[in-house]
Amino acid sequence: DVQMTQSPSSLSASVGDRVTITCRASQSISNFLNWYQQKPGKAPKLLIYIASSLQSGVPSRFSGSGSGTDFTLSISSLQPEDFATYYCQQGYYFPWTFGQGTKVEIK
Amino acid sequence: QVQLVQSGAEVKKPGASVRVSCQTSGYTFINYFMNWVRQAPGQGLEWIGKINPSGVSPSYAQKFQGRVTITRDTSTSTVHMELSSLRSEDTAVYYCARENIKYGGFCDYWGQGTLVTVSS
Repeated sequence: DVQMTQSPSSLSASVGDRVTITCRASQSISNFLNWYQQKPGKAPKLLIYIASSLQSGVPSRFSGSGSGTDFTLSISSLQPEDFATYYCQQGYYFPWTFGQGTKVEIK
Repeated sequence: QVQLVQSGAEVKKPGASVRVSCQTSGYTFINYFMNWVRQAPGQGLEWIGKINPSGVSPSYAQKFQGRVTITRDTSTSTVHMELSSLRSEDTAVYYCARENIKYGGFCDYWGQGTLVTVSS
């Protein structure tokens, strides 16, 4: 299975900060990398698909980049509603696999 | 609007089976793959399998092969996931999630989740 490794596992940031989360695949997955946001007790919500495409309705402060094995999710100016856990997911090989998650907490 | 509404929480004993349902509305059911993903308490997300629009030959993660069966009922626009030989490690929230039709490889709509607790 393709291993997805996110870093950091958690981070503390303030409202207005720029936040960057990285995701590394154990082998090339082209650009078949997606990002989800999950809040406690809720289902994951799709933010970014195919590495850099913004899902409809998602604020433009979220962006994604990368290809091959290295990917990045950025939040340009952190808002109170952005405090959550973020997961990357590869959809290139079966089984689909997820990163372990990055929890973004309030500093 | 697209909606995926899952069945309620379940408590099962080790060795039993559980069936979780996902009733859909707001889109053409037979056109979309449906995936199942689970999340153990405090843990990350784990893909279980998917069923294609034809309902033929679902795909399962190797880890669940032989224990999981995903089926669909076109008359009610519902997808079911049955997991057998339950053990305590299967305690998790189970999600159905619709796969994007244009690109594939990711899910754009998710059910609310169903908590399955396995305990003696």
